[in-house]
Amino acid sequence: AQSVTQPDIHITVSEGASLELRCNYSYGATPYLFWYVQSPGQGLQLLLKYFSGDTLVQGIKGFEAEFKRSQSSFNLRKPSVHWSDAAEYFCAVGVEGQGFSFIFGKGTRLLVKP
Amino acid sequence: DTEVTQTPKHLVMGMTNKKSLKCEQHMGHRAMYWYKQKAKKPPELMFVYSYEKLSINESVPSRFSPECPNSSLLNLHLHALQPEDSALYLCASSQGEDREQFFGPGTRLTVL
Repeated sequence: AQSVTQPDIHITVSEGASLELRCNYSYGATPYLFWYVQSPGQGLQLLLKYFSGDTLVQGIKGFEAEFKRSQSSFNLRKPSVHWSDAAEYFCAVGVEGQGFSFIFGKGTRLLVKP
Repeated sequence: DTEVTQTPKHLVMGMTNKKSLKCEQHMGHRAMYWYKQKAKKPPELMFVYSYEKLSINESVPSRFSPECPNSSLLNLHLHALQPEDSALYLCASSQGEDREQFFGPGTRLTVL
C-alpha cells in the first residue's frame, strides 16, 4: 500500500543553520512527490514538486529537495533557516486511481531558535 | 489568478444547524477537493470532484454533502454535525500533468 513517512515529528534549528527534513515513501510506480508548508491556521502552500527529470529540484523560499529512488526518499533542505520558516511541513505523494489524490505524511513541525 | 478562496473563514454552528462551506477557483482547474484537518494532523481527503463529477468519496458520513455546481465552485453542505467534526476544512484544486494541488486558506469550523 502507498504510504509516506516523515520520521521527525519536531525539529528545532537555530536561525541561520542548515535544515534537512526527511521523507520516505512507499509507492509501486514512479511517484509524484510534493512538499507543502503550513503556517498555523492557514492553508497549505506548495514549496516544490518532483515528477521526472533532474532529481534535485528547486522550490520557493530557498528550499530544495532531492529524489533518491534507491532510498525511496525525498528530503527537503535549506542551507540557512530564517525565523519565518517556522511552520508545519508536509511531504505528499500523488497517487492515481479513481482520479488523482494525495497521501500526506504526518508532518514535521519546525521550530527556529533565535 | 492562482488563488483558491474559501468562505466563511470561521464558522460556529450547533448540532441541529444546517450550513454550507464555499470554495471558488478561477484557474480553469477541473479537479476540486475537500479535506478535513484536525489539529496537529495532516489533511484527510474527504471528496474529489473531477470534471464536476464526484470521483472519490472516502466513506465520509452523510452529514457532509458535497456539491459542485460548476467547474469553478465547490460547496460542502453540513447538517446535524457532531462536536468531533470541529476542524479546519480545506479546499484544493488541480489541473494538468503536474497535478499539484492549490489549497485555499480553509474554514475553521466549530460545532457546539
